[in-house]
Order: sequence, then C-alpha cells, then structure tokens
Amino acid sequence: AQSVTQPDIHITVSEGASLELRCNYSYGATPYLFWYVQSPGQGLQLLLKYFSGDTLVQGIKGFEAEFKRSQSSFNLRKPSVHWSDAAEYFCAVAIFSGSARQLTFGSGTQLTVLP
Amino acid sequence: DGGITQSPKYLFRKEGQNVTLSCEQNLNHDAMYWYRQDPGQGLRLIYYSQIVNDFQKGDIAEGYSVSREKKESFPLTVTSAQKNPTAFYLCASSIGQTNTGELFFGEGSRLTVL
Repeated sequence: AQSVTQPDIHITVSEGASLELRCNYSYGATPYLFWYVQSPGQGLQLLLKYFSGDTLVQGIKGFEAEFKRSQSSFNLRKPSVHWSDAAEYFCAVAIFSGSARQLTFGSGTQLTVLP
Repeated sequence: DGGITQSPKYLFRKEGQNVTLSCEQNLNHDAMYWYRQDPGQGLRLIYYSQIVNDFQKGDIAEGYSVSREKKESFPLTVTSAQKNPTAFYLCASSIGQTNTGELFFGEGSRLTVL
C-alpha cells in the first residue's frame, strides 16, 4: 500500500539555524509530491510541489525540497529559520485512485523555533 | 478573491445531536473533500466528491454523511452515530479529473461535543 512517512514528530531549532524535515514515501511509480504548512487552528497552505524535471524545487517563504528517487525521499529544507516558521508541516503524495489523483498525507512534523 | 469558506469556525454540540458543517468554494473546482484532523494523526479522508450529485467514502466515513447538490457546496453532517466527533474538520477542493492532486484548503471548523 502507498504510504508517506515523516519520521520526526517534533523538531526544535533555534532561530537562524538551518532546518531539514524528512519525508519518505512508498509508491511504485514516480509520484507527485507536496509539502504543506499549517499554523495552529488554520487550514493547510501549499509550500511547494514536485511533478517532474529538476529534482530541487523552490517554494514560498524560502523553503526548498529535493526529490531523491533512490531514497524515496522528498526532504524539506530552509537555510535560516525564522520564528514565524513555527508550525506543523505535512508531506503528501498524490496517487491515482480511480481516474483521479488523491493525496495521502504523512502524520506531520511539529516545528518549534527557539529565540 | 477565490477560495474555500468553511463555517462555523467553532461549534459546540451536545452528545447525540447531528451537526452540519458548511463548505463553499468559488474556485470552480470539480472535486471537493472532507478531512478530519486529530493531534498526532495527520489528515484522514472522510468523504470526497469528484462531480456534482456523486460522492465516495474515504477512509473514515462511518458516522458521517455528505451531499453535493451544487458544484460550489459540499456540506458535511456529523451524525450521532459518530462515536468520537470532537475534532478539527478541513474542507478542500481540487481542479478535478485531470488534476495533479494539489488541494486547496479552507480554514477549518473545530467541533467540540460536550
């Protein structure tokens, strides 16, 4: 069965430090991959997405992610974290269900940013 | 501005009562979805609809019902049969049959059953 794993439930970093959030997927074909961010009590906002082509994709708010087929990974990175980045981050993979693609989400990584 | 509107944002109900959460979109998207979110469990799909007057059960449909009479609207009813209805509910939409899977989300509705 297709699945998405985010191994880190909670990560704490200091403001200004670099960040990497891990995401691994299990899917037979080349997937469509997404990272979403959720602030407390809010909906999810798309950070970035990968469909094909260049394996390093840039997103909003200074985030980037790299698709590594050999490792079935799509890790999210940011060179310097800001206090406003504190939120929950979800990785998702789009797989075919019937005639359309459906998103399967990881369980999320909660990011805390220390001043 | 185009988007998805969920209402109400907060809802309190007594045990045994049915509750309906509203979801309206003006993005002209064909597909709409309802997710339930509990702490530490990510998002779980309740129901989805790819076209008007048609919908399918997701992973946790028991105790919920939906309708899709209009393209813009996809209300979710949490029935008294749902054993643990207290949760955060998210509505989403996507373009439809040729979509990439990308979802656009509303701001969510928090239901608390007393």
